[in-house]
Amino acid sequence: EAGVAQSPRYKIIEKRQSVAFWCNPISGHATLYWYQQILGQGPKLLIQFQNNGVVDDSQLPKDRFSAERLKGVDSTLKIQPAKLEDSAVYLCASSSGLGETQYFGPGTRLLVL
Amino acid sequence: KNEVEQSPQNLTAQEGEFITINCSYSVGISALHWLQQHPGGGIVSLFMLSSGKKKHGRLIATINIQEKHSSLHITASHPRDSAVYICAARQVANTGNQFYFGTGTSLTVIP
Repeated sequence: EAGVAQSPRYKIIEKRQSVAFWCNPISGHATLYWYQQILGQGPKLLIQFQNNGVVDDSQLPKDRFSAERLKGVDSTLKIQPAKLEDSAVYLCASSSGLGETQYFGPGTRLLVL
Repeated sequence: KNEVEQSPQNLTAQEGEFITINCSYSVGISALHWLQQHPGGGIVSLFMLSSGKKKHGRLIATINIQEKHSSLHITASHPRDSAVYICAARQVANTGNQFYFGTGTSLTVIP
């Protein structure tokens, strides 16, 4: 079974630039999560989708972050404009349903200079 | 104060030692997850617990709901166990599941 795919694996940008990350969940998984993990800290949930609807985006900085999952499969997370403190690993995870075991992708490591 | 606290933050052990990592949480939960993160790699889910004890190979996870405490044990530790172990508490809210993550325990097993 293919796992959760993410791209790119690494991204370096300058502050005030825009960046987008892509996630392809495990086939058939209805629930998709985006996490931000700053070095030395645990992951922080940014947004949770159930199919193409948003379940929880309470910790998403909506002034600069946006995410969508238009067809209930792939998802993109965008940062516009990026700040230095956005440097982190962005993890995507999926599960078969709410409350089920999450499977994590390899993450996208973002460095903002 | 974090909703989930882990201890120790860093742990170095000799190969073969028995290892315990502790997790305490302050929120009401429906389940607790133990995750493993290797350097530069992704995260692997080790256990999901709502009560009692689970065992997988050399890994054992226990949870005491009344005391709001969970432990992850590794028997006969091996250098390949070196990783960051993260405890995550899942709370069911009206809007769906809310996860609270600990900051992780960095384990190094020396040959």
